[in-house]
Amino acid sequence: EVQLVQSGAEVKKPGESLRISCKGSGSSFTNYWISWVRQMPGKGLEWMGRIDPSDSYTNYSPSFQGHVTISADKSISTAYLQWSSLKASDTAMYYCASGWLGNFDYWGQGTLVTVSS
Amino acid sequence: QSVLTQPPSASGTPGQRVTISCSGSSSNIGSNTVNWYQQLPGTAPKLLIYNNNQRPSGVPDRFSGSKSGTSASLAISGLQSEDEADYYCAAWDDSLNGSVVFGGGTKLTVL
Repeated sequence: EVQLVQSGAEVKKPGESLRISCKGSGSSFTNYWISWVRQMPGKGLEWMGRIDPSDSYTNYSPSFQGHVTISADKSISTAYLQWSSLKASDTAMYYCASGWLGNFDYWGQGTLVTVSS
Repeated sequence: QSVLTQPPSASGTPGQRVTISCSGSSSNIGSNTVNWYQQLPGTAPKLLIYNNNQRPSGVPDRFSGSKSGTSASLAISGLQSEDEADYYCAAWDDSLNGSVVFGGGTKLTVL
């Protein structure tokens, strides 16, 4: 079984940078892709992109390409989602999830990111 | 505008059978398997059905999934009050470099 533990809630100002994390434990972290999923307040789930921790290969949803960066450090079983310049519209809950393609059998608890001046 | 289309709402009374549809295209549902998620208020999504019709361990057999062509359905029989939640379908989409696409979600109300 895989357990994913995400970093805590963040409050940031527009233009600031941010990196949130997702630490895996249990089964081998490199056996599964790690995806990031956004959920804006009162809205549905949106897939942002994924990383294969074994080789750090990434691919992004066209909607998020160029706006965020996904990375991983397999030595500490941790994946990251980062922004270089936050906008108010980045305010959302962000989940990491493990699995293949659209089959995500384990999810993190979520990280709430609030961007406000 | 979600790539996969779901009804925004569904409802039923305890004990009833409810179905939720998910419509896609040849690049997603038509060529890949469908997964369903349940999201209770204030919690992370939970995998309910994978590979069109498989239940993870611990998911009651009241929940079932099916797929035909470019559409899929989630059925919940013997509806219970604790089934009140948001339900999402998801599939891999082969277009561009590939991506996961979700439905817009269906809010199920148990009357």
